[in-house]
Parts: sequence; C-alpha cells; structure tokens
Amino acid sequence: GENVEQHPSTLSVQEGDSAVIKCTYSDSASNYFPWYKQELGKGPQLIIDIRSNVGEKKDQRIAVTLNKTAKHFSLHITETQPEDSAVYFCAAPRGGSYIPTFGRGTSLIVHP
Amino acid sequence: DSGVTQTPKHLITATGQRVTLRCSPRSGDLSVYWYQQSLDQGLQFLIQYYNGEERAKGNILERFSAQQFPDLHSELNLSSLELGDSALYFCASSGNVGGGGETQYFGPGTRLLVL
Repeated sequence: GENVEQHPSTLSVQEGDSAVIKCTYSDSASNYFPWYKQELGKGPQLIIDIRSNVGEKKDQRIAVTLNKTAKHFSLHITETQPEDSAVYFCAAPRGGSYIPTFGRGTSLIVHP
Repeated sequence: DSGVTQTPKHLITATGQRVTLRCSPRSGDLSVYWYQQSLDQGLQFLIQYYNGEERAKGNILERFSAQQFPDLHSELNLSSLELGDSALYFCASSGNVGGGGETQYFGPGTRLLVL
C-alpha cells in the first residue's frame, strides 16, 4: 500500500514569513495529491491539490509543487498570517482509486 | 461549511457498549468515506460506500460496520467498544466513485470518548 511521510511535524514561523511542508510517497502509480487544512475542532478542508500531469499549482498565497521522479510534493505558504495556524495534511491515493493515505500532519504556528 | 453533516458532535460511553454515528453527505454526492483520527494513528481510512454499496475497505475492525441507505446518508456502527476506540470519527463525501482524484469534503466529525 501507499506510504506517505510528512515533514516537519511542527513548524513555527513569524507572520509574513514563508512556510514549506514536504511529503514523500511510495506508490509510483499515485496521480492525485491533495493538501488539507484542519483547524481546531473542525474536519480537514481541502486547500489545494495537484495532479501528476502538472508540476506546480498556485492559488494566491498557497502553492504546491510535485516531483514525480523523486516522489515528493510540497506545500508552500507565502506571507503567512496568524489565521494560517492549523494542522496541514498531505495525502496520496492508493494506486487505482482515490482512497488517500494521509501524512501524519504538520502543526503550523504563525506568531503575530 | 463543507455541506457534510455528522451527528452527534460528541459521544461519551462505556467500554463494551455500542454506538451509531451518522453522516449526511453533500447534496448530490454518491460516495461516503469514514475515517478515524487519533493521536497515535493519525487519520486512517476505514471504509467507503458508493451509492449504497461497499466500495473499499481500509483499517476497519471487525467490531465496526457501516452502511449507506437509499437516501445516501451513512451510519457507522461501533460495538464492543474499547478504551482505544476513543477518537475523532470523520465522514467525507465525494461526487462519484472516487477514482481519478476526486475531491473529498469532510464533515465536522464526531468525538467519541470511551470510559
């Protein structure tokens, strides 16, 4: 099955700095890579995703990059704000269908 | 708001008991997924239903079962509860069968505490 490693487990930055979270996956057949944000007391919410035919995708302050050869993908948040503080999860599907294996999560803390 | 609803929000029960968690998917979504989130195991996929039929199975214990009804809501039944079953249980839904990178929308979760 798919194995997803996520680093770091915690990330503390100052407001306005950039934050980068990295994930590696094992199944070369994986073709869809979503990132979820989970705020305290809420369910995970999709913030951005990327498919294997694309190397990078941006949505305002958030970007995701994918390196299929190396089997890793990263979340980049620029100009961080206190409301970005949350736990972020990457995921990669089991080959053949979209049943995601989630990373262990990164707790991002943005200090004002 | 994702459009996925889950009830109850919180549940406190004793070991050995049985509980039922309920999920209503987003309007029009045919697939429902159940996940367990705990501190030591992270977010684990349990089971998927598509249009009333079981579609995929993950790390679901034999003491747990689920079903999806004709109106597409789903229930997760947890029986012979143990202390280790204490966790957050999430339901997610997607529009179709889940292949090809389909977005899943998560509900707010049910927090289960087994004493």
